[in-house]
Amino acid sequence: SAVISQKPSRDICQRGTSLTIQCQVDSQVTMMFWYRQQPGQSLTLIATANQGSEATYESGFVIDKFPISRPNLTFSTLTVSNMSPEDSSIYLCSVDTTRGGEAFFGQGTRLTVV
Amino acid sequence: AQSVSQHNHHVILSEAASLELGCNYSYGGTVNLFWYVQYPGQHLQLLLKYFSGDPLVKGIKGFEAEFIKSKFSFNLRKPSVQWSDTAEYFCAVNGNNRLAFGKGNQVVVIP
Repeated sequence: SAVISQKPSRDICQRGTSLTIQCQVDSQVTMMFWYRQQPGQSLTLIATANQGSEATYESGFVIDKFPISRPNLTFSTLTVSNMSPEDSSIYLCSVDTTRGGEAFFGQGTRLTVV
Repeated sequence: AQSVSQHNHHVILSEAASLELGCNYSYGGTVNLFWYVQYPGQHLQLLLKYFSGDPLVKGIKGFEAEFIKSKFSFNLRKPSVQWSDTAEYFCAVNGNNRLAFGKGNQVVVIP
């Protein structure tokens, strides 16, 4: 198993600003992911955070908007850049300890852009 | 690409009633299947999973799910729900090292 700590847990931000969300895992993991859960919607994968290389983004998500860092095997950050109200969502960090197996999730960051 | 469908987004039922949540997926290859649950104010946690073997899997809190390959389905069931089962339930599929989620079922159990 894995215990994931995410912060901040929530924030209210002005449009045009950026917010960086941190994800800390209590053990070394290979696979780390960032998801977005918009109101009434499913969880959507934003990107896979790769240690030592650029993140792999899913269709519809780009590095300029959602830059990701992964400096080591226990930590990652997601930045939501130049925010607009449409970015209001819950952002979740996830890890997969067994490649294709069970995923563990942080409690999420509830972002509101005004 | 893989996708997951969940119907009846809002489900309201009384304690002791039976619950069944449908999940259908589309993916051409071998998949791992999951049901996750999110209780109010808590993070997502695994309810049960299917990788291979017996298609009827049992999870925590009396939940079970049946994988029917021919129907591309992985429906979740519980014979008798409790008030504490009030939560949002997500079906998920992993076919290429990426989890794809359904839209979820918001289940409310009335005491």
